[in-house]
Amino acid sequence: QVTLKESGPALVKPTETLTLTCTFSGFSLSTSGVRVSWIRQPPGKALEWLARIDWDDDKFYSTSLKTRLTISKDTSKNQVVLTMTNMDPVDTATYYCARIGKLGTDFDYWGQGTLVTVSS
Amino acid sequence: DIQMTQSPSTLSASVGDRVTITCRASQSISSWVAWYQQKPGKAPKLLIYKASSLESGVPSRFSGSGSGTEFTLTISSLQPDDFATYYCQQYNSYLYSFGQGTKLEIK
Repeated sequence: QVTLKESGPALVKPTETLTLTCTFSGFSLSTSGVRVSWIRQPPGKALEWLARIDWDDDKFYSTSLKTRLTISKDTSKNQVVLTMTNMDPVDTATYYCARIGKLGTDFDYWGQGTLVTVSS
Repeated sequence: DIQMTQSPSTLSASVGDRVTITCRASQSISSWVAWYQQKPGKAPKLLIYKASSLESGVPSRFSGSGSGTEFTLTISSLQPDDFATYYCQQYNSYLYSFGQGTKLEIK
């Protein structure tokens, strides 16, 4: 059974760095072909893809946000970590981690999401 | 980056209706389109991948079609549980993007 769960602060201040952790079970990021992504959704708005990390430690980032994002993995803990620097109120959103499907082109399992509010 | 233009943004329909949602890509993306259903306060759920492949466990009233730049999601006979927001998503060259969503409402 595949599960993912996001954790991190519910509130961050402008200019601070956000660190989110995705803890998963039912698969391993040391297995060839496994990939995990982060996706966010501002309240009442559409989904936005942020970053992806692969089993072989390849990393890919949203073009518009890549200067602010870092994705990493801890295979022994079954965790993926996303950091986003210089947070702004427009970054207020629910942040989801999701496993990427076998073709590498879609998201087949999602976490429940964690709401992050950016406010002073 | 590839943009996905989804239409309509809102759709009012009745139980039993056949509905179609369309996504247009700003450039050709072969068949790398997926469709998701999202209910309020919940994570999206994968319905269709590779434009027309039905995800395991998804009812057969959902179907997808298209290739290149135009893609559609069709629900053949709306059920009460289908009223939700639907998103298309594309993949190209290690990047992903989503459409703006279609809210399917009860008429």
